[in-house]
Amino acid sequence: SQTIHQWPATLVQPVGSPLSLECTVEGTSNPNLYWYRQAAGRGLQLLFYSVGIGQISSEVPQNLSASRPQDRQFILSSKKLLLSDSGFYLCAWSPRREGADTQYFGPGTRLTVL
Amino acid sequence: GNSVTQMEGPVTLSEEAFLTINCTYTATGYPSLFWYVQYPGEGLQLLLKATKADDKGSNKGFEATYRKETTSFHLEKGSVQVSDSAVYFCALSVATSYGKLTFGQGTILTVHP
Repeated sequence: SQTIHQWPATLVQPVGSPLSLECTVEGTSNPNLYWYRQAAGRGLQLLFYSVGIGQISSEVPQNLSASRPQDRQFILSSKKLLLSDSGFYLCAWSPRREGADTQYFGPGTRLTVL
Repeated sequence: GNSVTQMEGPVTLSEEAFLTINCTYTATGYPSLFWYVQYPGEGLQLLLKATKADDKGSNKGFEATYRKETTSFHLEKGSVQVSDSAVYFCALSVATSYGKLTFGQGTILTVHP
C-alpha cells in the first residue's frame, strides 16, 4: 500500500531563517506531487506541483520554492521566512495515469514563524 | 477559471441531527468532484467523490450527488455523530489540470452529544 510522510510535524522558526520541509511517498512510482498551504481559518491553497523529477510548477508568487530531487521526494524551501509564511503545510500525491484524479494527503507540518 | 464555493460555517449540530453542507462550483471543462475531511490536527482524507453527472458518492453515511444542471455537490448525512466533528472541504479537479485540486474554503462542523 502507499504511504506519504512529512517532517517535521511541527516547526517554530524566527523571521528571516531558512526553511526545509520534506515529503516522501512510498509504495508507488512516478506520482504527481503537490504542496498546499492552509492558513489559519482559511482553505487550502496550491503552492507547487510536480509531474516528474526536476519538474516544478508554481501556482502563486511567493517567498517559497520547491524541488523534486528524487521520484518520490518533494521538498519545500525558503531562504528567508516571513511572518506570513506561518500555516499548515500539506503534501499530497496522485497516481500519474489517465483518469486518475484523487489526491492522497500527508499528515502535514505546522509552521509558526515568530 | 475554476472555483468552489461552500456554505459559510461554522455549523453546530446535536447528535443524530441531519446535516447538509452546500457546495457549488464553476469549472472550465468537465470536473470530478470531491469531499475531503480534516479531523483536528490531521491531514486531509478523501471522504467521497463523483466523476460524472448524476453520480452519487457515498461513504461512512455521507452522500453527495453530482448535479450538473445546478453545478452543485452538496454533502448530506442523515444522522451525525460526535465523531463527525471536523472540517469538510469541497473540491474539484479538471482532467487537463495534472490532477490539481481547487478547494472551497472549508466548513467547520461541531457535533454536540
